[in-house]
Amino acid sequence: QVQLVESGGGLVKPGGSLRLSCAASGFTLSDYYMSWIRQAPGKGLEWVSYISSRGDTIYYADSVKGRFTVSRDNAKNSLYLQMDSLRAEDTAVYYCARLIGWGTCWGQGTLVTVSS
Amino acid sequence: AIQMTQSPSSLSASVGDRVTITCRARQGIGNWLAWYQQKPGKAPKLLIYAASTLQSGVPSRFSGSGSGTDFTLIISSLQPEDFATYYCLQDYNYPYTFGQGTKLEIK
Repeated sequence: QVQLVESGGGLVKPGGSLRLSCAASGFTLSDYYMSWIRQAPGKGLEWVSYISSRGDTIYYADSVKGRFTVSRDNAKNSLYLQMDSLRAEDTAVYYCARLIGWGTCWGQGTLVTVSS
Repeated sequence: AIQMTQSPSSLSASVGDRVTITCRARQGIGNWLAWYQQKPGKAPKLLIYAASTLQSGVPSRFSGSGSGTDFTLIISSLQPEDFATYYCLQDYNYPYTFGQGTKLEIK
């Protein structure tokens, strides 16, 4: 069945970097645009980034622009989020998601903690 | 960015109650609105998309309405499994924006 599995989260110091991965199964990733969404502990949902099916159109939330880079490898059916210059306020569960109405699918999330 | 104002932020209700949650967009978004349910420690679950289309497998006690700037999620008769946090999401344009959430608690 359709599944998204995030990995790569963990504890990182302020100013550090981390790369999240999202492995897709049960569908062909190259057919779909994808998003990253995050949720800080005890807080609401925040959309972070969008990447088109071919990777030629990308958008970011202002809060991460210039620090985060989204990419994809359709041959590997995988999506990535490179996070640099991390701040304490980036601490959150990060979800990858296919947001397409009836075909919407979210991963289970991966926790990123930015702390010294 | 299109600001989404969701109300109430929290709500106490009893099993069997009818519950209404609203979401207002700062500008018109057509019917590009989705509603999600989230339980602690879990990913959000899509309930409704395109403002009023019920996602497959979602009970018919959930319904959505509205267009333009004002949207409503109604749960017609609360069940124990419905106590959760609900979010609206505008998917009209980027950056997508969520409402701040409504925590539905047992009275």
